[in-house]
Amino acid sequence: NAGVTQTPKFQVLKTGQSMTLQCAQDMNHNSMYWYRQDPGMGLRLIYYSASEGTTDKGEVPNGYNVSRLNKREFSLRLESAAPSQTSVYFCASSAGGTADYEQYFGPGTRLTVT
Amino acid sequence: GNSVTQMEGPVTLSEEAFLTINCTYTATGYPSLFWYVQYPGEGLQLLLKATKADDKGSNKGFEATYRKETTSFHLEKGSVQVSDSAVYFCALRFSGGYNKLIFGAGTRLAVHP
Repeated sequence: NAGVTQTPKFQVLKTGQSMTLQCAQDMNHNSMYWYRQDPGMGLRLIYYSASEGTTDKGEVPNGYNVSRLNKREFSLRLESAAPSQTSVYFCASSAGGTADYEQYFGPGTRLTVT
Repeated sequence: GNSVTQMEGPVTLSEEAFLTINCTYTATGYPSLFWYVQYPGEGLQLLLKATKADDKGSNKGFEATYRKETTSFHLEKGSVQVSDSAVYFCALRFSGGYNKLIFGAGTRLAVHP
């Protein structure tokens, strides 16, 4: 039982390049989330998916798109990377989308944009 | 707005020392409060939580008490081990609405033998 997995673990991009961060969970959870963590700041929510087929913006969605590919997978796409998107990205999942459910986190992807 | 403030790290302690990591919050309403821990190379894990004033959350020897009067949720452990070395995040969440966690910046703890 792997929980929440993320690929890649590390990535370096040049400004303007695109890439997709992958996230998968094997806990049959309905809800999934993408966060970013910057030095001196807490994790901030980028997008979330309350259930398969739905996605919604979080606190900092600009410059990102997401796809809930199926119940297991939730990807985050940077269409044209900028240095301001240098960060550590965490994916999480929970059984339900309301505040009663614990979120389970992946190990993170460290992205550097030069 | 709603926010969480944690003491800056790193916190460096010797094994068996007493640990306190301070956390205060600003919130319009009565949130639930959480401590998450991130061990090296792993994702965040829920360490403990408290859902109302005066509740005490505890797990693995760690404790934190929800203090409404001081808007605080300080993490304590009486005797730390090297294996407690990690980054600790304080967070809050409101009931109702979607599952939105608001995190502090995290505090790195390093325990040496």
